[in-house]
Amino acid sequence: GENVEQHPSTLSVQEGDSAVIKCTYSDSASNYFPWYKQELGKRPQLIIDIRSNVGEKKDQRIAVTLNKTAKHFSLHITETQPEDSAVYFCAAVEDGGSQGNLIFGKGTKLSVKP
Amino acid sequence: KAGVTQTPRYLIKTRGQQVTLSCSPISGHRSVSWYQQTPGQGLQFLFEYFSETQRNKGNFPGRFSGRQFSNSRSEMNVSTLELGDSALYLCASSWQGASYEQYFGPGTRLTVT
Repeated sequence: GENVEQHPSTLSVQEGDSAVIKCTYSDSASNYFPWYKQELGKRPQLIIDIRSNVGEKKDQRIAVTLNKTAKHFSLHITETQPEDSAVYFCAAVEDGGSQGNLIFGKGTKLSVKP
Repeated sequence: KAGVTQTPRYLIKTRGQQVTLSCSPISGHRSVSWYQQTPGQGLQFLFEYFSETQRNKGNFPGRFSGRQFSNSRSEMNVSTLELGDSALYLCASSWQGASYEQYFGPGTRLTVT
């Protein structure tokens, strides 16, 4: 089955710096890769996603890149702000297609220091 | 649109008891997935229901079960509770399944004593 590895497990940056979180997946058939942000005591929220036919996607300060050959994808946050502090989870769809299920990485705790 | 809702939000049970959790998806969403979240294991997939049928199942014992009703609302049941079942149980709904945006509910915090 699908396996998703996420690094680093913790990340501390200064406000205004960039943050990068990396994930690798094992199932070459996976074709959908969402990223979730979970603030303390709250539900995970979808912040950006990418499909296998696209190499990069941006939404304001957030971007995701996908390298299908190497089976890895990354989340990039620019100009970080204290409100970006949260746990971020990457995920990949196991078995591909709409009938698969999401397999999550273990999460990255991002701390943005003012 | 109203978001995904879960009831109850908090639950305390003792070992050996059983529990039923409920999830109401976003209107129009036919897929409901359940996840167990713990500090050590992260988010682990339990099962997915689509149009009242279990379509996918994760690697959990048979004590964990679920069902979906014709209005897409879903319930999960855990029988013979163990201390290790203490966790945050999250459900997520999507239009068709995992390859479409999934939106999470607030979760049910289950504590087993």
